[in-house]
Amino acid sequence: RKEVEQDPGPFNVPEGATVAFNCTYSNSASQSFFWYRQDCRKEPKLLMSVYSSGNEDGRFTAQLNRASQYISLLIRDSKLSDSATYLCVVTLNQAGTALIFGKGTTLSVSS
Amino acid sequence: GAVVSQHPSRVICKSGTSVKIECRSLDFQATTMFWYRQFPKQSLMLMATSNEGSKATYEQGVEKDKFLINHASLTLSTLTVTSAHPEDSSFYICSARGQTTYGYTFGSGTRLTVV
Repeated sequence: RKEVEQDPGPFNVPEGATVAFNCTYSNSASQSFFWYRQDCRKEPKLLMSVYSSGNEDGRFTAQLNRASQYISLLIRDSKLSDSATYLCVVTLNQAGTALIFGKGTTLSVSS
Repeated sequence: GAVVSQHPSRVICKSGTSVKIECRSLDFQATTMFWYRQFPKQSLMLMATSNEGSKATYEQGVEKDKFLINHASLTLSTLTVTSAHPEDSSFYICSARGQTTYGYTFGSGTRLTVV
């Protein structure tokens, strides 16, 4: 079983659509959770951290359910520039522990 | 903010040769460096973790004699792919964490093609 599993995608949506990505993680000891964005052939960039209380950053809303080990990302009013691969990431957040990445879900927003 | 400079960004080498990839932390001390590899349409897979001045810890299935990691200073870590073969062609990327920096800072990645 993979440590972090995501929707396979790809998601092809028109501009203005709302799209949701899901993710599950296997290690219940995971402490910190993130969504990263990766553009083709580039390094991943932090989109937002994910908190149990849920958090929002503009058009992006992230949710975490520790009991079911489930993370989600909602993107409202999709823009062309949102086209990218979205990576679900977890870590134990102890000294020396790495980020563990999901395979990523590709989003393509079209006009 | 924290910056990690990774070089080269792209490299093409002949099968059997070695390639060195450098990651430098420009404005912080990288006490821990993580090295990842990403094949097309796959996730970033952790290869190894290195702490400054210590031997790297490799993930299961990663050959330590093939992927040599050096982290001799707090601002520089290197990954050397020895005797590279076409199956080593991939996107290699480093991620650094310091004692006083929150979060993980990524290099820009190196696209290695072995011909």
